[in-house]
Amino acid sequence: GAGVSQTPSNKVTEKGKYVELRCDPISGHTALYWYRQSLGQGPEFLIYFQGTGAADDSGLPNDRFFAVRPEGSVSTLKIQRTERGDSAVYLCASSLAPTGTSRPLAKNIQYFGAGTRLSVL
Amino acid sequence: QKEVEQDPGPLSVPEGAIVSLNCTYSNSAFQYFMWYRQYSRKGPELLMYTYSSGNKEDGRFTAQVDKSSKYISLFIRDSQPSDSATYLCAMTRPPRLNAGGTSYGKLTFGQGTILTVHP
Repeated sequence: GAGVSQTPSNKVTEKGKYVELRCDPISGHTALYWYRQSLGQGPEFLIYFQGTGAADDSGLPNDRFFAVRPEGSVSTLKIQRTERGDSAVYLCASSLAPTGTSRPLAKNIQYFGAGTRLSVL
Repeated sequence: QKEVEQDPGPLSVPEGAIVSLNCTYSNSAFQYFMWYRQYSRKGPELLMYTYSSGNKEDGRFTAQVDKSSKYISLFIRDSQPSDSATYLCAMTRPPRLNAGGTSYGKLTFGQGTILTVHP
């Protein structure tokens, strides 16, 4: 597709369960980002991939959260032993991240998906 | 204290009004600034980006950056009901060149301002 695709759009789970959230970035985008947006707040950074590797995972709140991007395209955010406080919209973004420095900001714009709304009961 | 502060509003204005949205930040490492618009149950979409102090205009939108005061603004002229949304400021550090290319890393967002433009 033309944009960032996230599935599922909504996920309801029970406290203590395991969930996986999927992100399919824009084709050709090498950088992929996960953010979490709580109600009434701006998105907060979780983790960023450059290719297959996590370049910055400083935003992951604890070891219950883990993300992978095994082939440098689709990414999965995994949450173990979910807690009610994990309820939020999980946003994925991707950017081109080209080599060189020709107008880098314009080519590094992050494009967001619609998010997965996670509700932990 | 958050690195980026944004008045959450809500802000309600009549159609045709000029809207001013503002953010302040505390980290002088931030050099690149963006404004995103987010409609209900949608992801943020980029409106404008800039890296210079001063003004940048795009149609009805003007982004203003004052790095000395660590203050950025977005002005919307001739506001329309379709402008009703949450507006998010975002900023980031200078890019780093790594094995995969040049990348800006994470964005730090403000809280978002809810804007309603009524006919």
